[in-house]
Amino acid sequence: NAGVTQTPKFQVLKTGQSMTLQCAQDMNHEYMSWYRQDPGMGLRLIHYSVGAGITDQGEVPNGYNVSRSTTEDFPLRLLSAAPSQTSVYFCASSYGAGYTFGSGTRLTVV
Amino acid sequence: GEDVEQSLFLSVREGDSSVINCTYTDSSSTYLYWYKQEPGAGLQLLTYIFSNMDMKQDQRLTVLLNKKDKHLSLRIADTQTGDSAIYFCAEILVGNNRLAFGKGNQVVVIP
Repeated sequence: NAGVTQTPKFQVLKTGQSMTLQCAQDMNHEYMSWYRQDPGMGLRLIHYSVGAGITDQGEVPNGYNVSRSTTEDFPLRLLSAAPSQTSVYFCASSYGAGYTFGSGTRLTVV
Repeated sequence: GEDVEQSLFLSVREGDSSVINCTYTDSSSTYLYWYKQEPGAGLQLLTYIFSNMDMKQDQRLTVLLNKKDKHLSLRIADTQTGDSAIYFCAEILVGNNRLAFGKGNQVVVIP
């Protein structure tokens, strides 16, 4: 099925651990982005990419790294997890104004 | 700035109409969206409106756009228990194609 695939769906980390949230799309979209969702805060943009090899920061980039070596993949790395990064993470890809979202990764940092 | 405003909570009786409001800041936005999120689920695109329109109707959903006041609303007719969810408005920011979301409006439908 065409779309955006996020893995894992759930993850628990200890403070200070690192991990990578995976995001892959098979629609050949140039634009991909990562959001975090917190209660009462809506979705806030972490990082985005307008094409392979190009990334840029969104509203809340601190503590996260991204890379875009291929059109299909846009992983999000937490270098040293903190409890403040407990959230639900959504990856999206888009072509023009048509956005497709993944089903989300629920991350808890203890 | 990227500041999309929404009220936070709305309760409505089953069968009544519900109206969710949103204000946005980027007057040059080309598309404005409404997304629905059910508990524990991802984002479902409900409907969208292009900025050169002032109204769009799609079955039980009516979207109204007031560009002068930068105000967007979503009316759900004959609200049903399955409409209980969080509703987000979002705008495409001209120039960088980024999607900016409001904080969401939780709708609770009372049987």
